[in-house]
Amino acid sequence: GAGVSQSPSNKVTEKGKDVELRCDPISGHTALYWYRQSLGQGLEFLIYFQGNSAPDKSGLPSDRFSAERTGGSVSTLTIQRTQQEDSAVYLCASSHPAGGFPGANVLTFGAGSRLTVL
Amino acid sequence: AQSVTQLGSHVSVSEGALVLLRCNYSSSVPPYLFWYVQYPNQGLQLLLKYTSAATLVKGINGFEAEFKKSETSFHLTKPSAHMSDAAEYFCAVSRSYNTDKLIFGTGTRLQVFP
Repeated sequence: GAGVSQSPSNKVTEKGKDVELRCDPISGHTALYWYRQSLGQGLEFLIYFQGNSAPDKSGLPSDRFSAERTGGSVSTLTIQRTQQEDSAVYLCASSHPAGGFPGANVLTFGAGSRLTVL
Repeated sequence: AQSVTQLGSHVSVSEGALVLLRCNYSSSVPPYLFWYVQYPNQGLQLLLKYTSAATLVKGINGFEAEFKKSETSFHLTKPSAHMSDAAEYFCAVSRSYNTDKLIFGTGTRLQVFP
């Protein structure tokens, strides 16, 4: 697609329920990133995919958080047994190393999924 | 570990005034540095990036930033603020030479008054 697409744009759930957030990156972008944006906390890195593998999961805050990517394209971030502190905007970004060099390529972000846990 | 510090969570300027948003980085090696802007209810958009070429980097919408190694700074400036510049601005550093993973500052919200 023309940009990074995320769904749902807004999600309200009850504490203890599971949620799935979806990211559809730019076609051909091999790298995909999930970030969390909480009020006053800036952007917190969660996980990075290169193709379908996740060489860096260092930002996942607990084992309730998991993510997968299939076909080198769409990614799903799953939060199990949601807690109120999970309320945030979850941002997805993708990048393509061709034409640049690692570390300097631009991340293109989606508009985010706003999660509210009641 | 690399990190960035943005001084001032909120900055207010009058329309037409100079905009100065501060960013300092900590890095043991020359970093790649970025400024992103986030308009309300939108994703982040790249303003400019520094990748060890020219130290003065020009971006979109009249913004520019200067890499100063001696001060470990990468402050964002614009000579004359416009109402449409009201947004949140994030400074970021690239942590790895193997990935494009970014470490972000906590952001600065810019308000522009008429």
